[in-house]
Amino acid sequence: ETGVTQTPRHLVMGMTNKKSLKCEQHLGHNAMYWYKQSAKKPLELMFVYNFKEQTENNSVPSRFSPECPNSSHLFLHLHTLQPEDSALYLCASSQLFGHTEAFFGQGTRLTVV
Amino acid sequence: RKEVEQDPGPFNVPEGATVAFNCTYSNSASQSFFWYRQDCRKEPKLLMSVYSSGNEDGRFTAQLNRASQYISLLIRDSKLSDSATYLCVVIPGSGNTGKLIFGQGTTLQVKP
Repeated sequence: ETGVTQTPRHLVMGMTNKKSLKCEQHLGHNAMYWYKQSAKKPLELMFVYNFKEQTENNSVPSRFSPECPNSSHLFLHLHTLQPEDSALYLCASSQLFGHTEAFFGQGTRLTVV
Repeated sequence: RKEVEQDPGPFNVPEGATVAFNCTYSNSASQSFFWYRQDCRKEPKLLMSVYSSGNEDGRFTAQLNRASQYISLLIRDSKLSDSATYLCVVIPGSGNTGKLIFGQGTTLQVKP
């Protein structure tokens, strides 16, 4: 059982739809992340939140909009996506300061049609 | 140059073989290094951290070479269950900003 939970696990959406991905961590961590994993490419860091504040936006298009209402929850709001945005979206959390690992959720497999 | 580079493989080895993966990183100020394992269609999970003095966990040994800016993972007596993608992960710069940079991953297939 993972300490990081993502919903939904699978999502199919049209290019004009608006949807949201949800992530919740039960580990007491103070940093949360969104990563994108496309086929045959490394995990790409999208956003980093430290203590609810966004500290990293890795040149992500504005059609992806993150929200972090508290240290335990992270959302990724999606609108007017493109087919090339189809990928596995992974949420992770970690404890800042020190040699600490990141724990990942099981991911949302997104297909844009 | 990519921040973290790995040979994607695949590495196809028989059961019982010893196999080694290398990973190079570009930021000489990087302080934290990890190996993650990712099974097909699953999330990455920490396999082991990599310490300056090297560390061993059962059949797995990780080494860090700061001078050449690479880390390695050695797997002895390979099992079928070791088949997975192994991800090299680096936290660039000093201190922990929480920004983990992943390599592309090296795929290992262990055959009977």
